Amino acid sequence: KAGVTQTPRYLIKTRGQQVTLSCSPISGHRSVSWYQQTPGQGLQFLFEYFSETQRNKGNFPGRFSGRQFSNSRSEMNVSTLELGDSALYLCASSLASEAFFGQGTRLTVV
Amino acid sequence: AQKITQTQPGMFVQEKEAVTLDCTYDTSDPSYGLFWYKQPSSGEMIFLIYQGSYDQQNATEGRYSLNFQKARKSANLVISASQLGDSAMYFCAMREGVIQGAQKLVFGQGTRLTINP
Repeated sequence: KAGVTQTPRYLIKTRGQQVTLSCSPISGHRSVSWYQQTPGQGLQFLFEYFSETQRNKGNFPGRFSGRQFSNSRSEMNVSTLELGDSALYLCASSLASEAFFGQGTRLTVV
Repeated sequence: AQKITQTQPGMFVQEKEAVTLDCTYDTSDPSYGLFWYKQPSSGEMIFLIYQGSYDQQNATEGRYSLNFQKARKSANLVISASQLGDSAMYFCAMREGVIQGAQKLVFGQGTRLTINP
């Protein structure tokens, strides 16, 4: 059974640009959640989607958005990138109690 | 508000010894779940073990066990017979509520575990 797949693995963008990250959950999982990991702030919850609906949202500015498709794949978008958005972005998928993460997308903003 | 505290920034352990990583949590919700993850330098978060607040028995998964003390609000991870490959960051996390598939996790700051040969 394939795990959670995140693409791309690495990304370098310039300040002011926008970026889209993708997450394909484990087959059959309907919940996808996103997290940002930085050395200073640790792991912080961004948002969660379930059956194409945003169910929870963390305390991030509106530049951070996401969506989920009917096949449960999810994308997150960050517009007007800032240097502080440089981070490891992790997504997790869940069917019941447990949550399984992908390998993450490491975003560097220059 | 829910909170997770990991008081050990770093730990050094001899190979084959058992190790306990501490985690305390704070929540007012009677329904919650507790997780432990391992994060090697590659960045992937590897699921280790899960404990629900209503589970009567401590969770175990191979060499990993979770020492769940509800009254003390602690959920320590015990790794038996440590191996060199156990060297990594370890995160404790909590989810409030038991909505099926709901995953809004709050993480601790992590413990960097180093296994010495």
